[in-house]
Amino acid sequence: DAGITQSPRHKVTETGTPVTLRCHQTENHRYMYWYRQDPGHGLRLIHYSYGVKDTDKGEVSDGYSVSRSKTEDFLLTLESATSSQTSVYFCAISDGPSGTDTQYFGPGTRLTVL
Amino acid sequence: DAKTTQPTSMDCAEGRAANLPCNHSTISGNEYVYWYRQIHSQGPQYIIHGLKNNETNEMASLIITEDRKSSTLILPHATLRDTAVYYCIVTGSNYKLTFGKGTLLTVNP
Repeated sequence: DAGITQSPRHKVTETGTPVTLRCHQTENHRYMYWYRQDPGHGLRLIHYSYGVKDTDKGEVSDGYSVSRSKTEDFLLTLESATSSQTSVYFCAISDGPSGTDTQYFGPGTRLTVL
Repeated sequence: DAKTTQPTSMDCAEGRAANLPCNHSTISGNEYVYWYRQIHSQGPQYIIHGLKNNETNEMASLIITEDRKSSTLILPHATLRDTAVYYCIVTGSNYKLTFGKGTLLTVNP
């Protein structure tokens, strides 16, 4: 399995609080991605990174920000969590763009916003 | 990326081959067919991908029709641990994978 860890694995927080999820890789892959998964929607891309300090929005980026200061770490921040952000969050990595290289996924973080 | 159509669910007997179909009639020439699966509560797992030719690896085989409008993922000897949701994804080099609802494969003893 690709060396991807996510922390925390589970978190319960209250509406309005800031939350940061961390994705860490040991594969030295250039691309990193954050997805969320909700019942009835499948996985949806939130943000992705194509290098250190290079990030871009996905299809459901509102309410989320990301940062990548090192190759191995990609942080997802919810500045002020809302109940609609209750979801399972998956990080993925790849060595190239999705059409030419495989994405490998982390174990996920289950976030509950009360 | 081209849209894909998969059956909602399928059953397979343990030890038999599981054949999972996928239609992607609007696929363009530079788009790949990828298969992932997701076992309950885990992250999606890459299985196999291809462009035009049939592909085989230690997990599965991928058969792509000559016109590339459909494909079949074959698990040659399904086990109970293969019970999962299987996603067929068509993608070019645009950084994202679009996951649909996939096929829930249930392998029965």
